[in-house]
Parts: sequence; structure tokens; C-alpha cells
Amino acid sequence: TQTVSQSDAHVTVFEGDSVELRCNYSYGGSIYLSWYIQHHGRGLQFLLKYYSGNPVVQGVNGFEAEFSKSDSSFHLRKASVHWSDSAVYFCAVSASSGSWQLIFGSGTQLTVMP
Amino acid sequence: GPKVLQIPSHQIIDMGQMVTLNCDPVSNHLYFYWYKQILGQQMEFLVNFYNGKVMEKSKLFKDQFSVERPDGSYFTLKIQPTALEDSAVYFCASRTGGGTGQLYFGEGSKLTVL
Repeated sequence: TQTVSQSDAHVTVFEGDSVELRCNYSYGGSIYLSWYIQHHGRGLQFLLKYYSGNPVVQGVNGFEAEFSKSDSSFHLRKASVHWSDSAVYFCAVSASSGSWQLIFGSGTQLTVMP
Repeated sequence: GPKVLQIPSHQIIDMGQMVTLNCDPVSNHLYFYWYKQILGQQMEFLVNFYNGKVMEKSKLFKDQFSVERPDGSYFTLKIQPTALEDSAVYFCASRTGGGTGQLYFGEGSKLTVL
């Protein structure tokens, strides 16, 4: 069974700051990882994913994430945040077999102060 | 981009009544999902559906829940009878196929059971 953990429930930064949102997973097999963003009262929107190849993946709006097998992590980063990045960010993991269902972490609320 | 539509956006019903939540997935998508989100909490997988059948369901997918997609019509989640703990936002998602395809989410149907 795969699990995913987001250790920070809330992160607050100022506009223009860099940010890293942490995600750790546990699963022994081949795995598929992704990040989604949820603005208040809306559905989730896809940011980026990793399955194989280059461990650093680029996503929309300047986001990137780095997969580390040794750390069992898939942290999300952005070099310079904008107020519109304020949202809840969900890390998701899927085993590469069966139905490939996505299991979501508990989410990190990112607040960007002006 | 592709959109998943959900109807209704909000429904209030009395405990014990039946409710049907409707989802119009992206037109060429083959895999369909329902997730449940209680306010401020994580997205929890309920069920996924492919080729007219339930592929996988979680412990949250109680016997009172059912899903179907009659030919070419909405992908529906029916709860009969409803309970107080069913109050949540239910999100439908779809994807084309292949395990690493991104999920496209609807805006959610907020269910309030009184």
C-alpha cells in the first residue's frame, strides 16, 4: 500500500520569496507522483508529474518538483511566488499497477503575503 | 482546457433521502473517479470506473453508494439512503487512460445532509 505525507499544513511566505512544499511517500515498487493545486472552493488542477527519467520535472506557472528515491520525497518548489499562488497544494502518489488510483496527501495551505 | 462538469453544485437534503450527483466527464476520457472532501481536509478516494464497471473502491464507498454511466450520459454517484456523515464536497475526475495521465477534476458538488 502506498502512502503520502505532507508535513506542513500551512506555509506563509511573502511575494517574491522562494518556497518549497514537502512531500514524502512510502511504497516499495514503481511509483507515479504528481502535484495538484486547489484554489478556494474549486476543483483540483494538475501542476506536474514524475514517473521516470529526469528527477527534476517542470510544471505550470514556474513550479518544479524533484524526485528523490533515497529520501522518498517529491518536494515542490517555486523560485518566486506571486499572491495568486495562494492555494492548497496536494501531493499524490499512485502505484504503477492495477487501477493507478491516486492517493492524496493531506495538503499544504500556501499563503503568499503582499 | 478540457472541463469536467458537475451538477448540482450544491444540494441540501434530509437524512435518509436519496441523492444523485452527476458528472459530465471530458468527452474522450475512459476512466472516471469520485473523491470525497470534507471541508478543509484531504481528498479521499471513493471509487474508480472503467468500461462500465467499478475497478476499485475504498472503505468509504459504503453499500449505500453506487455508480453508473449509462451509455453516453452522465457518470453518476448515487447515495441511498444518505447519512449525516455523507456531508462533504464530492469531486468527479476523469482521464483518458494510461496510468500516468493527469486527472481532470470538476468543481465539486457540495452535499449537505440535515
